[in-house]
Amino acid sequence: GAGVSQSPRYKVAKRGQDVALRCDPISGHVSLFWYQQALGQGPEFLTYFQNEAQLDKSGLPSDRFFAERPEGSVSTLKIQRTQQEDSAVYLCASSPGLAGQETQYFGPGTRLLVL
Amino acid sequence: AQSVSQHNHHVILSEAASLELGCNYSYGGTVNLFWYVQYPGQHLQLLLKYFSGDPLVKGIKGFEAEFIKSKFSFNLRKPSVQWSDTAEYFCAVNPRGGYQKVTFGTGTKLQVIP
Repeated sequence: GAGVSQSPRYKVAKRGQDVALRCDPISGHVSLFWYQQALGQGPEFLTYFQNEAQLDKSGLPSDRFFAERPEGSVSTLKIQRTQQEDSAVYLCASSPGLAGQETQYFGPGTRLLVL
Repeated sequence: AQSVSQHNHHVILSEAASLELGCNYSYGGTVNLFWYVQYPGQHLQLLLKYFSGDPLVKGIKGFEAEFIKSKFSFNLRKPSVQWSDTAEYFCAVNPRGGYQKVTFGTGTKLQVIP
């Protein structure tokens, strides 16, 4: 079966541009997470969905960051008016049931570079 | 809120050497503990996890970790490393029960020299 996929794999944006990052979780997985991983750091939690409900968005760094999962499967992370400090790898992960109580399956990430 | 410390940022070992990577967490209650690994060019994947029961947990590829509650530690060990173990290793923790977000450490890069 397919794992978690993310697109695009690489994105270069000019400062001020809007970007949209897509995540396709493993089919049937209830939980979906977004993480931001800066160079030399571990993944930092951004937001969590249980099906289509966004239960935790406490990690989103500013109101320029917005995530959705309208049908409880594919998710999109949108960053408006990108800034240089947004440059990072954005990871998506999914798990079959409740958040944090199970193994998370990670995608390959989207490497975002803001110039 | 919970936090995780990984003390070794970069470790270099020769093949057949023994490995121990440190992980300490900060949280007052019951936790789940994880080690994830990222091989070069690959996704993050689970190496092993501890939820409850025997504090000595065995994972894939001969890795094991021991949960020592009194020390708030969950160190990763392998008796004899191979070149193919070259990777970045992340310790992670989350409070047990219901929805609880997972907090990752900063990672340890392991380089195994043939």
